[in-house]
Amino acid sequence: QSALTQPASVSGSPGQSITISCTGTSSDVGGYNYVSWYQQHPGKAPKLMIYDVSNRPSGVSNRFSGSWSGTTASLTISGLQTEDEADYYCSSYIGSSISFGTGTKVTVL
Amino acid sequence: QITLKESGPTLVKPTQTLTLTCTFSGFSLSTSGVSVGWIRQPPGKAPEWLALIYWDDDKRYSPSLKNRLTITKDTSKNQVVLTMTNMDPVDTATYYCAQRERWFDPWGQGILVTVSS
Repeated sequence: QSALTQPASVSGSPGQSITISCTGTSSDVGGYNYVSWYQQHPGKAPKLMIYDVSNRPSGVSNRFSGSWSGTTASLTISGLQTEDEADYYCSSYIGSSISFGTGTKVTVL
Repeated sequence: QITLKESGPTLVKPTQTLTLTCTFSGFSLSTSGVSVGWIRQPPGKAPEWLALIYWDDDKRYSPSLKNRLTITKDTSKNQVVLTMTNMDPVDTATYYCAQRERWFDPWGQGILVTVSS
């Protein structure tokens, strides 16, 4: 299965909003509402931030939001904070297979 | 509270078979709809999904690795076991198990497996 495409890096100043894209095809992102997003700090396991495109698990800040259009899903972080600096990965269900994105490093300037 | 923890060797030699165990608590793999997956992440790279096992013993494998992977479960022990044959240095990675619905949550802490002679 092909990896989903994400920008390698995105940066922003504290308080700003940033958006990370996750581009797939009609067979994955465009075909299922099953996109999830994960945050990973160095040396830690990934943490679920968004599921089913736009749903936030209990305990995740409402500064994190997800959306989808066509074959691109997006994760927006509003009111950027220093603790948001991490790697972010999208993931999509592709029939009986699962694919992860290439990953985006978020830097808080 | 749901927790998962991976265990197994941290160093394997090329051509050997890797066997990893995921021991979990807080849920039962005999409950309808429940599944557990394995994911690996080479140093500095993105995660890669490996395998998934469902409550009804249905199994799914990564198409690129399916010939090398076997996933099984022991419901009485709350364990899921992954075996990967013919290990190569490129298989060096942190291996995670995680509970899955249509997303992975939560994840275990991971185990770093190094393949080297």
